[in-house]
Amino acid sequence: DTAVSQTPKYLVTQMGNDKSIKCEQNLGHDTMYWYKQDSKKFLKIMFSYNNKELIINETVPNRFSPKSPDKAHLNLHINSLELGDSAVYFCASSQGSLLDRGDNEQFFGPGTRLTVL
Amino acid sequence: DQQVKQNSPSLSVQEGRISILNCDYTNSMFDYFLWYKKYPAEGPTFLISISSIKDKNEDGRFTVFLNKSAKHLSLHIVPSQPGDSAVYFCAAMRVAGNTGKLIFGQGTTLQVKP
Repeated sequence: DTAVSQTPKYLVTQMGNDKSIKCEQNLGHDTMYWYKQDSKKFLKIMFSYNNKELIINETVPNRFSPKSPDKAHLNLHINSLELGDSAVYFCASSQGSLLDRGDNEQFFGPGTRLTVL
Repeated sequence: DQQVKQNSPSLSVQEGRISILNCDYTNSMFDYFLWYKKYPAEGPTFLISISSIKDKNEDGRFTVFLNKSAKHLSLHIVPSQPGDSAVYFCAAMRVAGNTGKLIFGQGTTLQVKP
């Protein structure tokens, strides 16, 4: 029974298209995240939602828009895809938020490999 | 400006020996440090963390040491097992008011040879 799931696992698309990646967690966690792992393998946080409220919004193009319909879901929508958006995108969740200053174990999904042609 | 650095891209050790993975950071305001482990085609898995007010945290075979004056932390795995072969990410967290920042290093690939 998967704790954090993402769909699709692979996404190949053309430049200029709009695409969405879905994420769901069944752990009952309050906080969800989106990360991007680029070609140099750096893992960078993009967004964090706590109880459906955006609490972290790193410097990412506004073509990226997270949407949280409920606590269990955090979807990532990307408009006007560019070549540089090609990366692996990871969704994660945790019980507490980064603001709790405490032990904040994050559970990651398997990743979505996005390739923009 | 990479605030969290793992300067060794790879490390190879013999099974049963100690593995030491290193991480350096530049921002003295980080509150918390975490280590994650990642297998190919999977998401990272949380391993162990340490608060900036401590200098050591131990969990089974894994121990994290924090040297604040040197802005350096390390993960010790002893004894190392072949199943520990993976990419290890160090991460640092800073909380400021109602927002927070979490920054990862670029990872170190550990290979444990049987």
